[in-house]
Amino acid sequence: AQSVTQLGSHVSVSEGALVLLRCNYSSSVPPYLFWYVQYPNQGLQLLLKYTSAATLVKGINGFEAEFKKSETSFHLTKPSAHMSDAAEYFCAVSQEDQGGKLIFGQGTELSVKP
Amino acid sequence: DTAVSQTPKYLVTQMGNDKSIKCEQNLGHDTMYWYKQDSKKFLKIMFSYNNKELIINETVPNRFSPKSPDKAHLNLHINSLELGDSAVYFCASSQVRKNSPLHFGNGTRLTVT
Repeated sequence: AQSVTQLGSHVSVSEGALVLLRCNYSSSVPPYLFWYVQYPNQGLQLLLKYTSAATLVKGINGFEAEFKKSETSFHLTKPSAHMSDAAEYFCAVSQEDQGGKLIFGQGTELSVKP
Repeated sequence: DTAVSQTPKYLVTQMGNDKSIKCEQNLGHDTMYWYKQDSKKFLKIMFSYNNKELIINETVPNRFSPKSPDKAHLNLHINSLELGDSAVYFCASSQVRKNSPLHFGNGTRLTVT
């Protein structure tokens, strides 16, 4: 069965600092991996997705993630945090033949201090 | 042009009542979903429909009944509401093919008193 674990329910960084949000997955077959962002009182917005074409995936708003099969990880990074990055971030996994179902991690709340 | 729209945005009701949430997508996707987000922000799939056919039902109580009149609409009807049903319900849609991401609506915050 698939699962996703996000290490750290809350991460706090200073504006301009590196953002690192951790995600580890468990899947018996090659997974499809996604990062979503949720701003307060809004739905989820896709940040980026792993397509298997490249292990380093670039997304919107300066975020990127690297797929590491050996570590079963898909950590999300951004070189320099902005105040507007404060939100809830979700890592998700799906498999082929699962009807498009996404399994989400528990979420990580990112706070950005001025 | 909202891609996935849900109504209402907020829903406050009493225990025992029956309520519905509506969802529409204009993306031309063939699959629609309902997800539930609890108070700890954990997201769990409830149902999915592909071209009006139910393909995922994640052991949701029978009080929850999805209905898909066409592939652009997926409504959620809830009977005999309970306190534990209070949550944010998200509708989403996608094309069911490899790596197709889900597009989410803005959610319906249901509060049962």
